Amino acid sequence: DAGITQSPRYKITETGRQVTLMCHQTWSHSYMFWYRQDLGHGLRLIYYSAAADITDKGEVPDGYVVSRSKTENFPLTLESATRSQTSVYFCASSATSLQETQYFGPGTRLLVL
Amino acid sequence: AQSVSQHNHHVILSEAASLELGCNYSYGGTVNLFWYVQYPGQHLQLLLKYFSGDPLVKGIKGFEAEFIKSKFSFNLRKPSVQWSDTAEYFCAVNADTGKLIFGQGTTLQVKP
Repeated sequence: DAGITQSPRYKITETGRQVTLMCHQTWSHSYMFWYRQDLGHGLRLIYYSAAADITDKGEVPDGYVVSRSKTENFPLTLESATRSQTSVYFCASSATSLQETQYFGPGTRLLVL
Repeated sequence: AQSVSQHNHHVILSEAASLELGCNYSYGGTVNLFWYVQYPGQHLQLLLKYFSGDPLVKGIKGFEAEFIKSKFSFNLRKPSVQWSDTAEYFCAVNADTGKLIFGQGTTLQVKP
């Protein structure tokens, strides 16, 4: 049971480049989430998705784009990376509602130079 | 706006000491409350949660938390910590927006 996986685990990129972080879950959970983790801020929600082709903004969506063409995948794209997007990114999923327990992936550590 | 506040940012304890980490939230309605733990190099794992019922919730690894509605608090406790409890602990609240709001996190360092 793979659960929820993220790739890559580590990424170094340059300012202005496009970067896509992948998230895949094997549980057929309806909801998927993207968070960023920064020192002093805890985790902040970037985007979430209630189902395939349904996405919504979270607390810090600027500079990010998401899509969800298949239930199991929820990629996060930084269209033009900035140094302020250097962070650890976590994908999460929950079964059927926002209120349920969320299960987290291992994270992607992104460095933007 | 809803917010979650964790009072202790960095806690250092010796093994066998008792632990209490504070968590307060700012929302007056019905809430779901969570504590997540992140061990070094690992992803977040659910420690315990409160949805309804008994306000004293027991979680994994001997942790418990008490929901005090009048104080808007959900403090995490453990009677005797171990070196393996060294980790970052996050309180999170899920209220009317349905979105999970995290506190800033508390880093716990347990000295052997």
